[in-house]
Amino acid sequence: EAGVTQFPSHSVIEKGQTVTLRCDPISGHDNLYWYRRVMGKEIKFLLHFVKESKQDESGMPNNRFLAERTGGTYSTLKVQPAELEDSGVYFCASSQDRGTGSFYNEQFFGPGTRLTVL
Amino acid sequence: AQKITQTQPGMFVQEKEAVTLDCTYDTSDPSYGLFWYKQPSSGEMIFLIYQGSYDQQNATEGRYSLNFQKARKSANLVISASQLGDSAMYFCAYHRGGSARQLTFGSGTQLTVLP
Repeated sequence: EAGVTQFPSHSVIEKGQTVTLRCDPISGHDNLYWYRRVMGKEIKFLLHFVKESKQDESGMPNNRFLAERTGGTYSTLKVQPAELEDSGVYFCASSQDRGTGSFYNEQFFGPGTRLTVL
Repeated sequence: AQKITQTQPGMFVQEKEAVTLDCTYDTSDPSYGLFWYKQPSSGEMIFLIYQGSYDQQNATEGRYSLNFQKARKSANLVISASQLGDSAMYFCAYHRGGSARQLTFGSGTQLTVLP
């Protein structure tokens, strides 16, 4: 079974440009999460999809970030326009939906996209 | 908001010895879960072990065990018989119950296993 995949693995862009990151979750996983780690800081939650719906986007830093999940399958995270402080590693994770009554919720992570904004 | 603290930015251990990586958390949630992830130099995040707040027993997964002390709010990872391949960054993460399923991470501990 394929794991979570992310594309591209690296992206180098200039300030003001647009970048789109893609995540393909494990097949059958309804939950999809985006996290990021900026240099020297903790991994921070960005948002959570359940199928195609945004369950929680409280971690999105500002309106330059737009996440979509088409048909409840893959997800994209667009940064427009990119700023220097957006540099970091963006992780995607997915998990099965075990229902709200179930507590255990192992998240499987992708390898991350390293974004560098110059 | 929950806060996860990993006080050891770097740790060294001799091959074949055991090592404990510390993790403390601050929460008022009645139920929660704690995870440990390993991030080798290749970058992927690998799930290691999980402990639920109501679990009676400490979690174990092969050479990994979790020393869970609920009253002290600590969830330390113990790696027994360290191997060179254990060299990596290790993250402790917190998960609140219910519909809020995002993980809150600590700052990580870089473990180096010495031959």
